[in-house]
Amino acid sequence: GAVVSQHPSWVICKSGTSVKIECRSLDFQATTMFWYRQFPKQSLMLMATSNEGSKATYEQGVEKDKFLINHASLTLSTLTVTSAHPEDSSFYICSARDPRVAGELFFGEGSRLTVL
Amino acid sequence: SQKIEQNSEALNIQEGKTATLTCNYTNYSPAYLQWYRQDPGRGPVFLLLIRENEKEKRKERLKVTFDTTLKQSLFHITASQPADSATYLCALGDGGTSYGKLTFGQGTILTVHP
Repeated sequence: GAVVSQHPSWVICKSGTSVKIECRSLDFQATTMFWYRQFPKQSLMLMATSNEGSKATYEQGVEKDKFLINHASLTLSTLTVTSAHPEDSSFYICSARDPRVAGELFFGEGSRLTVL
Repeated sequence: SQKIEQNSEALNIQEGKTATLTCNYTNYSPAYLQWYRQDPGRGPVFLLLIRENEKEKRKERLKVTFDTTLKQSLFHITASQPADSATYLCALGDGGTSYGKLTFGQGTILTVHP
């Protein structure tokens, strides 16, 4: 099936720094990708919808200036956590829809961010 | 606001038995419902999708039902195996241009004992 790859799979950074997470669709083109956040023992919460060639659509309560999303090509979306703080520590997961496969969504393996 | 509840945080069963997980929702009329499996530290893996006009879907040992009147989905794993142990998430979504935006339940941790 389709593959969605995330990089890095884990990252540790100091408070105040920015971290970029990449989400790639390896064998299909994704005009739309989705970014989720998952805190320990909690479910996935949709943060934003990433649209190729246009601005991302953020969910209510998600700071667009803190979580910068760029979808510059049909196979790559990036999430940059700016000026990270310990409360931003979480598991970030992207997903994409393969237009060749009806209904199914493909998720990346996730990126574990720890902010010290 | 939309609310999704999975019946229990954890479910323990014996190998060979059927596991039944429940997903209830309120204040929502989804176009489809999906079930995912998530292993610790990994992203969710798609299992089954069922649309609002479908009552039941099967895939190998998996079966999903969808009752839009009761606003409930049941997820069954027959002849369960220890390898089925994982967290199972239900997710609801809208159709049209919002396809792919999912609202997830909190998950049920299934443990199958040998």
